[in-house]
Amino acid sequence: KAGVTQTPRYLIKTRGQQVTLSCSPISGHRSVSWYQQTPGQGLQFLFEYFSETQRNKGNFPGRFSGRQFSNSRSEMNVSTLELGDSALYLCASSLTGPSSYEQYFGPGTRLTVT
Amino acid sequence: SQQGEEDPQALSIQEGENATMNCSYKTSINNLQWYRQNSGRGLVHLILIRSNEREKHSGRLRVTLDTSKKSSSLLITASRAADTASYFCATVLNTGTASKLTFGTGTRLQVTL
Repeated sequence: KAGVTQTPRYLIKTRGQQVTLSCSPISGHRSVSWYQQTPGQGLQFLFEYFSETQRNKGNFPGRFSGRQFSNSRSEMNVSTLELGDSALYLCASSLTGPSSYEQYFGPGTRLTVT
Repeated sequence: SQQGEEDPQALSIQEGENATMNCSYKTSINNLQWYRQNSGRGLVHLILIRSNEREKHSGRLRVTLDTSKKSSSLLITASRAADTASYFCATVLNTGTASKLTFGTGTRLQVTL
């Protein structure tokens, strides 16, 4: 079974631009969660999608948004990029959600904002 | 914000020794999970322990949970160089139909030959 894939793996953007990251979950998994990892703040929960609906959201500004498609693939978008958005963005999939099942993480997208 | 605080922040041991990492959290939880992350990569799930369980084993891993003290520990026995990684605890609190996974600050483990 193929693992969670994330594209692109590395990205360099300029302040003020926007970016879209993509995540393909493990086949059969319907829940996709997104996390931001930085040296200063650690791993922080962004949002979780299940069956194309955002089911939970972390404490991030509205510049961070996401969506999930009918095939469970998910995208997250960050608009008006700031230097502080430089981070490793991780997505994770699980059967029905992180409450009862372990999550499987992708390799991450390393975003650098200059 | 982080729910869990892990202790120690960094740990250096020799191959063959045991490594113990501790995680403390603040609120009630439904379950607690431990993950490993190799440098700059995605996380790998190690073990999940439910709030009504006290101890769980998986290979060389042993996890304990004390809900009265709001703490958990991860023990890696007979460590190997390949165990070098950062280890995170993550707490799960179900709120209605949604659930939230909150990670701790992590322990960086270095296993030397």
